[in-house]
Amino acid sequence: KAGVTQTPRYLIKTRGQQVTLSCSPISGHRSVSWYQQTPGQGLQFLFEYFSETQRNKGNFPGRFSGRQFSNSRSEMNVSTLELGDSALYLCASGHPNTRSSYNEQFFGPGTRLTVL
Amino acid sequence: DAKTTQPPSMDCAEGRAANLPCNHSTISGNEYVYWYRQIHSQGPQYIIHGLKNNETNEMASLIITEDRKSSTLILPHATLRDTAVYYCIVRGLINYQLIWGAGTKLIIKP
Repeated sequence: KAGVTQTPRYLIKTRGQQVTLSCSPISGHRSVSWYQQTPGQGLQFLFEYFSETQRNKGNFPGRFSGRQFSNSRSEMNVSTLELGDSALYLCASGHPNTRSSYNEQFFGPGTRLTVL
Repeated sequence: DAKTTQPPSMDCAEGRAANLPCNHSTISGNEYVYWYRQIHSQGPQYIIHGLKNNETNEMASLIITEDRKSSTLILPHATLRDTAVYYCIVRGLINYQLIWGAGTKLIIKP
């Protein structure tokens, strides 16, 4: 079974630009979560999508947005990039059975975004 | 949501058991404890999780104290490939999201 794939793996942008990152979850997984990882802040939750609906959202500004398609693939978009947006962006897919069950997440390799 | 406290770093000799502690003194009764690890330049990898009973799988064992305020992840026979940052996480109740701490950098020495 193929793992979570993320594209592109590396990206360099300049301040003020926007960027779109893509994530393909493991086949059959309907939940996709996005995380930002920086040396200073560690891993921080951005948002989670389930069946094309944003189910949970972390504490990030509105410049960070996402969406999920009917095939469960997900994209996240960051507009008006700032230097502080330089980070590793990780996508994780999961297969939650019910609201009360655990949600083991499988992570992709991440997209390394550098903002100059 | 509960927070976790872990030592920033630990060493362990290859072939020995690595015991990684985690404090989660404010954990709620129905919050799970998860362990993930992140090897350099890779995405985090799920290891194990538990609620109140001790758990074991092919990778590790998880020992949770009776009061659930702390836990220990045990890698029974550490290898050099176990060198990674290990995260102890308590699953959030409100949003069911994973709340990550700083983790423990485990270095396995030959």
